[in-house]
Amino acid sequence: QVQLVQSGADVKKPGASVKVSCKASGYTFSGYYMHWVRQAPGQGLEWMGWINPNSGGTDSAQKFQGRVTLTRDSSISTAYMELSRLGFDDTAVYYCARGSYGDYYFDSWGQGTLVTVSS
Amino acid sequence: EIVLTQSPGTLSLSPGERATLSCGASQSVTSSYLAWYQQKPGQAPRLLIYGASSRATGIPDRFSGSGSGTDFTLTISRLEPEDFAVYYCQQYGSSPRTFGQGTKVEVK
Repeated sequence: QVQLVQSGADVKKPGASVKVSCKASGYTFSGYYMHWVRQAPGQGLEWMGWINPNSGGTDSAQKFQGRVTLTRDSSISTAYMELSRLGFDDTAVYYCARGSYGDYYFDSWGQGTLVTVSS
Repeated sequence: EIVLTQSPGTLSLSPGERATLSCGASQSVTSSYLAWYQQKPGQAPRLLIYGASSRATGIPDRFSGSGSGTDFTLTISRLEPEDFAVYYCQQYGSSPRTFGQGTKVEVK
């Protein structure tokens, strides 16, 4: 059974950084891309980027380039998303989502991590 | 970037009724790489449909997807109480991956 378990909720001040983890189990971690998607309160879904756990290669939406860092630790089957220079509009639930075989649609999702930016 | 526009924003229906949700793309979606997700309050999205018309594992056959190019549809043949939720379309044929803004299916 594929499972993605994310780190707990976090509160950060404006200008700080946040790092969210996503621990995978039930499949070969290196074989599937991992994506990150966020959802502001009451809003829709916004794709942020992906990491190829095998090579470490990444890509991100232009909006987040220079501010988001996607990494992984294959020894513990965990992907990370770090977002820097947080603003109030970064308050959102952040999801990791596994790309399907061949990296197409998102076939499994983590439970989400609420990041609140507050002074 | 491909912009996806979903309509209507809200659909008010009764259990047992048929729901038809639309997703329009600003340009043709490569190879019908279009997915639908269901999201209930406080939960992560769940994959329903991929490749515009293929049901994901475990998804009941009352859910069906159709369309190609720039026009796609999700149909729920007979609404069950657990189907009242928000539905998102997503294209994965080009980068950046983009989502529609969602359609809320609510109880009338």
